[in-house]
Amino acid sequence: DTAVSQTPKYLVTQMGNDKSIKCEQNLGHDTMYWYKQDSKKFLKIMFSYNNKELIINETVPNRFSPKSPDKAHLNLHINSLELGDSAVYFCASSLGTGGTGTQYFGPGTRLLVL
Amino acid sequence: AQSVTQPDIHITVSEGASLELRCNYSYGATPYLFWYVQSPGQGLQLLLKYFSGDTLVQGIKGFEAEFKRSQSSFNLRKPSVHWSDAAEYFCAVGAQGGSEKLVFGKGTKLTVNP
Repeated sequence: DTAVSQTPKYLVTQMGNDKSIKCEQNLGHDTMYWYKQDSKKFLKIMFSYNNKELIINETVPNRFSPKSPDKAHLNLHINSLELGDSAVYFCASSLGTGGTGTQYFGPGTRLLVL
Repeated sequence: AQSVTQPDIHITVSEGASLELRCNYSYGATPYLFWYVQSPGQGLQLLLKYFSGDTLVQGIKGFEAEFKRSQSSFNLRKPSVHWSDAAEYFCAVGAQGGSEKLVFGKGTKLTVNP
């Protein structure tokens, strides 16, 4: 059974479109995250939710909107996609908040904006 | 806020040789330290972590790391590298009670020559 899953795995779209990425975890964790990995492999946190409550919101354009319908799901919606949004987006989860809990990562969603 | 530096962007070793990947962190109190590995096209997998106690920690796949407070380091080692160890390695630092996020280094790419 996959612990942290993301859909879709690949996403190719045109500039200006709106797209969503979904994440689900079956580990019983209470905290979930979205990370962005750029072309140089640099990994940066975007958002974190604990028990459906937003606890980390880094300096991310407001075109990005996370949504957590329950503890096991964290989705990411992106409006008006730009070329610079092309990256790999990773979902992760942990028990407890991110400073100390081991985070488990999904396989990533590779987004290409044309 | 915590920070982490991985001084080596790319390391090449021969199969069977020993390996040491460097990681230096910056944090005022006791950090929570992690090493993750990312194989090509995959998500991140936890190799090992240090929270407290014995400063030499053992991880999966034959890896170990040593926490040295005096040097603010948490270097990853393996006595004999296998071709399947070729991947990107990330050191990360978290903190208790401070910023509730994990901060990643920029990664070290490991190439293994036959």
